[in-house]
Amino acid sequence: DTGVSQNPRHKITKRGQNVTFRCDPISEHNRLYWYRQTLGQGPEFLTYFQNEAQLEKSRLLSDRFSAERPKGSFSTLEIQRTEQGDSAMYLCASSWDRMASYEQYFGPGTRLTVT
Amino acid sequence: RKEVEQDPGPFNVPEGATVAFNCTYSNSASQSFFWYRQDCRKEPKLLMSVYSSGNEDGRFTAQLNRASQYISLLIRDSKLSDSATYLCVVASPGYSSASKIIFGSGTRLSIRP
Repeated sequence: DTGVSQNPRHKITKRGQNVTFRCDPISEHNRLYWYRQTLGQGPEFLTYFQNEAQLEKSRLLSDRFSAERPKGSFSTLEIQRTEQGDSAMYLCASSWDRMASYEQYFGPGTRLTVT
Repeated sequence: RKEVEQDPGPFNVPEGATVAFNCTYSNSASQSFFWYRQDCRKEPKLLMSVYSSGNEDGRFTAQLNRASQYISLLIRDSKLSDSATYLCVVASPGYSSASKIIFGSGTRLSIRP
């Protein structure tokens, strides 16, 4: 399967713990996005990478959130000191910038539950 | 006002019916427009891009009205398998020339036999 993959698919953690999610984009895609989605809402943009450079961060991304894409391939999203309000589906998407296309391909998401 | 707004529905229509959704956007500099489909507890999947001249893909037709800042999706001869949430997506110029991609909250469609 050459689609976007995310691990883990589900994560249950206690409030105050740190969690890290991984996203492996489609191999030839140089753009990678992180989104958060809660029930009944569309995905909310968190951050965006072009290759290894983090070019944009949403104001939703508090200082407890950090994302990296060290070699321009896979990316990690870490949430420190989790809060119950962090419970959501975290989606990763990738695309390529040839022909200025912004069509994105999503991974299956990581569902985070903070107890 | 939200940057991208959709009627949340739900739209409940019989199989074979034609159904249309609209989506409005507030940023007149928006460049690219898409419709995504999301099944329950699944990831969004690209349904179609929306081009200025309008475009059609089988039973699906997408249109863009830049003057009124809305896009539309028309589904003809609806099937039970069309039941899903349809997300409107708008890409606008963002910081450092990256594109700012905004999703609407989605319109729920339920097709009944």
